[in-house]
Parts: sequence; C-alpha cells; structure tokens
Amino acid sequence: GNSVTQMEGPVTLSEEAFLTINCTYTATGYPSLFWYVQYPGEGLQLLLKATKADDKGSNKGFEATYRKETTSFHLEKGSVQVSDSAVYFCALTNTGNQFYFGTGTSLTVIP
Amino acid sequence: GAVVSQHPSWVICKSGTSVKIECRSLDFQATTMFWYRQFPKQSLMLMATSNEGSKATYEQGVEKDKFLINHASLTLSTLTVTSAHPEDSSFYICSALNTGGETQYFGPGTRLLVL
Repeated sequence: GNSVTQMEGPVTLSEEAFLTINCTYTATGYPSLFWYVQYPGEGLQLLLKATKADDKGSNKGFEATYRKETTSFHLEKGSVQVSDSAVYFCALTNTGNQFYFGTGTSLTVIP
Repeated sequence: GAVVSQHPSWVICKSGTSVKIECRSLDFQATTMFWYRQFPKQSLMLMATSNEGSKATYEQGVEKDKFLINHASLTLSTLTVTSAHPEDSSFYICSALNTGGETQYFGPGTRLLVL
C-alpha cells in the first residue's frame, strides 16, 4: 500500500540554523512527492514537489530530492528564519485522485 | 498559481443547525475536489472525494448523510454539515486537483464551532 512517514516533531531551531525534516514513503509504482506547509490558522500551501526519481524540488530556499533507492524525500533548508515557523506535511500520490499525507512536523524558529 | 477559496472562513452555530461551506477554484477548473477535516495539532483526515456531476466518494467512517457534498460545477463544491453537534467542531479544508491531475491546491480552511 501507500503511506508516508515523517519525523515526529516538534522541531525547535534558532534562526539561521540548518533544517532537515525526514520523510520516507511506501508506494506502488512511481509516485509524485510533495511538501506542503501550513502556517498557523491557515490551510495548506504547496511548498515544492518532485514527480520522478532524482528530481529536486525547490522553493523559498527549501529543497527536497526524490530518492527512489532510499524511498525518501527529505526537506532541507540551509538557514531558517522565524517566518518559516509552521507545520510541514510530506505527501505522495500515485494517481492524483488519492493523496497520502504524513502526520506533519511542527517547526518553531526562535530569534 | 492556482487559487482555491473557501467561504466562510469562520462559522459559529447552535447545535442542531446545518452549516454549508463552499469551496471554489478561482482560476482553474477542477473536476475533482477533496474535503478534509483537521483536528488540533493533527494531520488531515480525508473525508470524501468529490467529482463534478457525480456522487461523492466517502472515506470509511464518514457519514454521508451527515456531511452532504455537492459538486455542481467545475469550480464549486459544497460541504453541508447537517444537524451539527459540538463534536463536529473542527477545521474543514478543501482542495482541488489541478488540470493535470497531479497537484492538490488547498483552500484556506473553514473553522467550525458548534455550541
């Protein structure tokens, strides 16, 4: 079956620290992978995506590389800001009609 | 980018009343929309998949008579919480599948409080 496993939070970092949020997946076939971000009180926003192996998605300084050999899609950012404080969700889809989300990882960045 | 709106963003109602939440894709047509429910500090729980012009497909454990979904056009889906009770209080989020069918775009969510 299909599933997504994210590292449990919460994660607290100082401003300008390096961020990694781990995400691994189980899927049949060749899924597309996503990271969504949810700011307090808001809905989810697409942060980045990758549709095939070795693709790197990037946006707003965040990156994630689709690693088929390790079935991973870890989110990274070299220098976090206070404004990056949010909950991050890893997700996958095989067909586009069914998305599977991780449980979310809460990130708090302190000045 | 693709924009999805929800209305209302906040609703407070008395127990026993019905509440309708609208989800609109503003700049693209969406044959498929999804409705999620999110409890505090938890992930999204898919409630149902809504396809334009056909009946919604509900996830196991979701009462279809309680949560009525209508997808009457390619840009609008509605969720009606019928005879709402305090345990229905939650954050309801819709999403729409883009034309290519590979990415979901989410609405900003509707916070429902049933007194």
